[in-house]
Amino acid sequence: GAGVSQSPSNKVTEKGKDVELRCDPISGHTALYWYRQSLGQGLEFLIYFQGNSAPDKSGLPSDRFSAERTGGSVSTLTIQRTQQEDSAVYLCASSLGNRRANYGYTFGSGTRLTVV
Amino acid sequence: GQQLNQSPQSMFIQEGEDVSMNCTSSSIFNTWLWYKQEPGEGPVLLIALYKAGELTSNGRLTAQFGITRKDSFLNISASIPSDVGIYFCAGPSGSARQLTFGSGTQLTVLP
Repeated sequence: GAGVSQSPSNKVTEKGKDVELRCDPISGHTALYWYRQSLGQGLEFLIYFQGNSAPDKSGLPSDRFSAERTGGSVSTLTIQRTQQEDSAVYLCASSLGNRRANYGYTFGSGTRLTVV
Repeated sequence: GQQLNQSPQSMFIQEGEDVSMNCTSSSIFNTWLWYKQEPGEGPVLLIALYKAGELTSNGRLTAQFGITRKDSFLNISASIPSDVGIYFCAGPSGSARQLTFGSGTQLTVLP
């Protein structure tokens, strides 16, 4: 598509439930990133995929968080046993794989997750 | 890890005024980027800076890469209502490809 698409745009879930957030990057973008933005805060890096390389998971806050990227395209971020502190906007971004262009992220509109 | 400190946290200005915000780091960055985020949307890249001392303009926006490589400034001239949003500075984290973002400057433009 023309931009990065994320779904759902909003998700309300009960504490303890699992959730899956989806990201469709721009076609041809080999790099994909997940960030988390808590209310009034900056963006916190979660995980990074580049082509077929092993993902950089260094930003995942706990083992309840995991992400996959299938076929080098669509990515799913899964949060197991959600907690109230997981409430945030989860942003996905993609970029071309080369060095400088890699920093010109295109972000999706995000998924606003509320854990009640 | 690397941290970016942005100031001010929020600004209220009158339409037509110029505004300046800055970003500092305790460590050297080789690239500085400025993003703008509007409500309900993801951040959008405004300006990218790749060289110490570089000054780059994009319309009414001007950004500079500090000579020490530990700071950057963003100026907006003749502000208009659509300038409202959160402005983030960002830079690549060491050898990793992901960006570290500052905490943002919330800009409000009063009519």
